[in-house]
Amino acid sequence: SAVISQKPSRDICQRGTSLTIQCQVDSQVTMMFWYRQQPGQSLTLIATANQGSEATYESGFVIDKFPISRPNLTFSTLTVSNMSPEDSSIYLCSVEPAERQSFEAFFGQGTRLTVV
Amino acid sequence: AQSVTQLGSHVSVSEGALVLLRCNYSSSVPPYLFWYVQYPNQGLQLLLKYTTGATLVKGINGFEAEFKKSETSFHLTKPSAHMSDAAEYFCAVTPRGFQKLVFGTGTRLLVSP
Repeated sequence: SAVISQKPSRDICQRGTSLTIQCQVDSQVTMMFWYRQQPGQSLTLIATANQGSEATYESGFVIDKFPISRPNLTFSTLTVSNMSPEDSSIYLCSVEPAERQSFEAFFGQGTRLTVV
Repeated sequence: AQSVTQLGSHVSVSEGALVLLRCNYSSSVPPYLFWYVQYPNQGLQLLLKYTTGATLVKGINGFEAEFKKSETSFHLTKPSAHMSDAAEYFCAVTPRGFQKLVFGTGTRLLVSP
């Protein structure tokens, strides 16, 4: 299994500011994923972050709004830029299975963001 | 494109009653299927998964699910609900050869005494 630590666990931010969320994994992984869970909604994939290359964004998400860094195989950050109340969500980091044949993705505890 | 439909945003059961949470998928080929549980203010935890082999899979906490290809379904069941089962449950799929997960809209399970 993989242990994922996300920081911060929650934050309240002013509109127009930016927040950077950190995701630390206790083992090396190739693929890391960032999801958004809006209030009362399901999880939507924002982007896939591979070490050594630019993140791949899903439809509806752009790098200027959600820049991602992936400096090494155990760490990634997601920044929510120029925030508005519509960005209030839970943001979750996920990693690919430690053993690819297990197909079990692991998730961090999430970052609960409130924009006021 | 793959998609997942969870019928019922809320399901209410009494403690000791059968739990049935429905999940149907849409995919050109049978994908890998998962059920995740999310307790309040926590991340997601894998309950069970189907990849290959036996179509009835057993997971943690007494849950099980059956993959029915003809019905494109992967419903989650538990014979007897406990109060501790109250949570949000998500069905998810991924193509064979793990890629990103596609989640259903979730079902909130409410368990009353």
